[in-house]
Amino acid sequence: AQSVTQPDIHITVSEGASLELRCNYSYGATPYLFWYVQSPGQGLQLLLKYFSGDTLVQGIKGFEAEFKRSQSSFNLRKPSVHWSDAAEYFCAAGGLGDGGTSYGKLTFGQGTILTVHP
Amino acid sequence: DGGITQSPKYLFRKEGQNVTLSCEQNLNHDAMYWYRQDPGQGLRLIYYSQIVNDFQKGDIAEGYSVSREKKESFPLTVTSAQKNPTAFYLCASSIRGGSYEQYFGPGTRLTVT
Repeated sequence: AQSVTQPDIHITVSEGASLELRCNYSYGATPYLFWYVQSPGQGLQLLLKYFSGDTLVQGIKGFEAEFKRSQSSFNLRKPSVHWSDAAEYFCAAGGLGDGGTSYGKLTFGQGTILTVHP
Repeated sequence: DGGITQSPKYLFRKEGQNVTLSCEQNLNHDAMYWYRQDPGQGLRLIYYSQIVNDFQKGDIAEGYSVSREKKESFPLTVTSAQKNPTAFYLCASSIRGGSYEQYFGPGTRLTVT
């Protein structure tokens, strides 16, 4: 079965420090991968996506993510965190199964809450 | 501006009443989705529709119903059969069915007492 795991429920960093949020997936042959951000009481905003090609993907707000097929990971990074980055972050996966058929929906991880200290 | 609207932002109902949550999109997307979000549980898929007049159950469809009579609209009814309806409900759409990126509305917080 398809699954997405975000091992860290809550991460705290200082403003200006670097950030890495982990995401591991279990999917078919061709995963499509996404990172979303959610502020409290709001909807989700797409940060970046990976479908194919270059394994390092740039997104909005200075975020990037690297797809590592050998590790089944798609970790989100930012070199210098701002206080406004405090939010909850969701990794999601979709794509084609081994038979080449789309699953028709995305699978979301449980989310990682990011707290930023001044 | 193109986007997804959900109304109202906050909704209060008495136990035993059905309630319908609105979701409208003007992105010309074929596919629409309803999720439920509870603290610490991420997003759980309730129903999704890949085309007008067709929809499929997600992981937690019991106690919910939907319709998709128009491409722009995908209302969700929370029935009295839903055991624990108090939650944050999110609607999303994507350009077509499949595993494409989804765009989310602002959500509706439903409180049932």
